[in-house]
Amino acid sequence: GENVEQHPSTLSVQEGDSAVIKCTYSDSASNYFPWYKQELGKGPQLIIDIRSNVGEKKDQRIAVTLNKTAKHFSLHITETQPEDSAVYFCAATPTSGTYKYIFGTGTRLKVLA
Amino acid sequence: DADVTQTPRNRITKTGKRIMLECSQTKGHDRMYWYRQDPGLGLRLIYYSFDVKDINKGEISDGYSVSRQAQAKFSLSLESAIPNQTALYFCATSDPRDISYEQYFGPGTRLTVT
Repeated sequence: GENVEQHPSTLSVQEGDSAVIKCTYSDSASNYFPWYKQELGKGPQLIIDIRSNVGEKKDQRIAVTLNKTAKHFSLHITETQPEDSAVYFCAATPTSGTYKYIFGTGTRLKVLA
Repeated sequence: DADVTQTPRNRITKTGKRIMLECSQTKGHDRMYWYRQDPGLGLRLIYYSFDVKDINKGEISDGYSVSRQAQAKFSLSLESAIPNQTALYFCATSDPRDISYEQYFGPGTRLTVT
């Protein structure tokens, strides 16, 4: 079945450094790839997304890249700040419908001051 | 006030008990979802509903049932709770007219089955 693998499971970076989280999906027909941020005690919240017809998208300090051939997509956070500390989830929409996400297993990011 | 609310926020129950988790939304969205979050497993879809009359099973529906009482309310029930249903449960909503496909999550319910 459809599957999304996410690495690493935990990531610690110094404040000001960059962080990269990578995901791989199995369904080559997936066409929408969101990233969600979950802060402690809260539900996940969309921070950025990308569609299959775009290779890269940026929003201030965050960016997402997509390699359709390799079925990889990545989240890049530059100039990390303590408030970036959270759990990040990638997701992909399978061919069965764009309303249904398959989530990755999550990455706990710690930004060390 | 929060757009998607869940009650209770925390619940401890015993094996074999019936329990209901409730979700309400003020976003006016037709689509609602129930997810389960476990450490190392991410978020897995239990049930989803496109409108009051349309309910569908997700990846892990065994042991769960749902009720869509109104557009704004979607409840998840555990008919006979078991310890491996201990998890963090999230409700989410989305608008089919929203081209971003974004899902809006509630704050979660932490359920412990002893």
